Formats: sequence, structure tokens, C-alpha cells
Amino acid sequence: DIVMTQSPDSLAVSLGERATINCKSSQSVLYNSDNKNYLAWYQQNPGQPPKLLIYWASTRESGVPDRFSGSGSGTDFTLTISSLQAEDVAVYYCQQYYSTPYTFGQGTKLEIK
Amino acid sequence: QVQLVQSGAEVKKPGASVKVSCKASGYTFTSYYMHWVRQAPGQGLEWMGIINPSGGSTSYAQKLQGRVTMTKDTSTSTVYMELSSLRSEDTAVYYCARARSPYSSSWAFDYWGQGTLVTVSS
Repeated sequence: DIVMTQSPDSLAVSLGERATINCKSSQSVLYNSDNKNYLAWYQQNPGQPPKLLIYWASTRESGVPDRFSGSGSGTDFTLTISSLQAEDVAVYYCQQYYSTPYTFGQGTKLEIK
Repeated sequence: QVQLVQSGAEVKKPGASVKVSCKASGYTFTSYYMHWVRQAPGQGLEWMGIINPSGGSTSYAQKLQGRVTMTKDTSTSTVYMELSSLRSEDTAVYYCARARSPYSSSWAFDYWGQGTLVTVSS
């Protein structure tokens, strides 16, 4: 199984500042035949299902604000929120969909400083 | 609009089985793979398995093999997840989630059900 490890486990950032969450996979999730990274990011608020933010490591889902961006390739990935808003307080998960089981990171709790 | 509506909360005793439904609407049911994901209280997300609503083929997480069964009813656009031999560690919110693109399982999950809380307690 591919193990996904996020850092940090929790993060406190001031409103308007940048937030960065890292995700590392135990093996590459870059598929050579299509040159795509099979990596997604989700946001989850309490009592709600996760919401897809980013797929293919850097493609923003429709309707997601452009302050959210994803980067990285192979085994190392980053979710960046360029200017933190109050509504961004949530838990964020990375997920690989390169091979089953489609594993998730342990989650990063983002709070306001 | 795409909707995934799940069945209501369940309370089960250890050793029993539970069957959770997920009714899809707003898209062609047979074109999109469906996943099941669970989340224990205060914990992270765990992928359980996937079903192809067209042919019914399935793939399950190794740790649940032998206890989980995913099925579909094309006539009602509903997928089901049944978990047997329940233990306290199975207490969780169970979600169905759709693969974002048709005809392929290797995609992120774009639509999620509202979740079904299954509580296992004697």
C-alpha cells in the first residue's frame, strides 16, 4: 500500500497570510504513460463530507477559489492557500488514486492564529 | 444536479451486519465508478473499496476482505455497502463518493454522500 504522510498535523496561520501543507507518498504517484500525478487534495469541515479542491496534483476543481493551489510531482506535494480566509478553517487531506487502496494522508488541521 | 443520498444512521450489536445505501441522481448512474470511504470518530479517511455500477465488478481494501460486499441496483440507481461481523472498531461515518470522470476508476472523488453513522455497541 502507498502510505501518505502529511505535515504538519496542525497549523495556525493569521488571516491574509499564506498557509502551506505538505504531503509525501511512500512511492511515486506519477504515471509515466500520461505524465500525471494521481494526487488529490480535499477540505473537510466538521460534520460534512470532504470536498474536492485539487486533482492531478495541481488542477483546481470547478468553483474552488484561486487562492488554493497545488504543486509537486512524484512523491512530494504541497497545498498552498495564498491568503487565508476565515472560511478556510478546516481539515485538509491529500489522497493518492494511483493504485488501490486509494490511501489518504492523516489530515492537517488548519486554524486561525 | 448530481446528488448522492445515503440511508440513515444505524445502531448494531457486535457480530451483526449493516447495509448502507447510496442513491444517485443527476447523472448517468452506470458511467461512473463509486467508492466507499469511512471515517471513525475524530479520525481520518479510510478507503474501503470501489464498485463499477455498470458491470458490478468490485475491489475491496485488503483489511476488509471477507467482511465487505458492495452491490448495485441499476433500476434504482443505488449502490449498497454491506459490512458483516461488526466490531466496535467499525463505528464510523460511512460515505459513498463518485469518481470524477466516467468509465475510469483512477480519478479523484468529486461528489460525496452526506454520510451514514454506523454505531456498533453492545
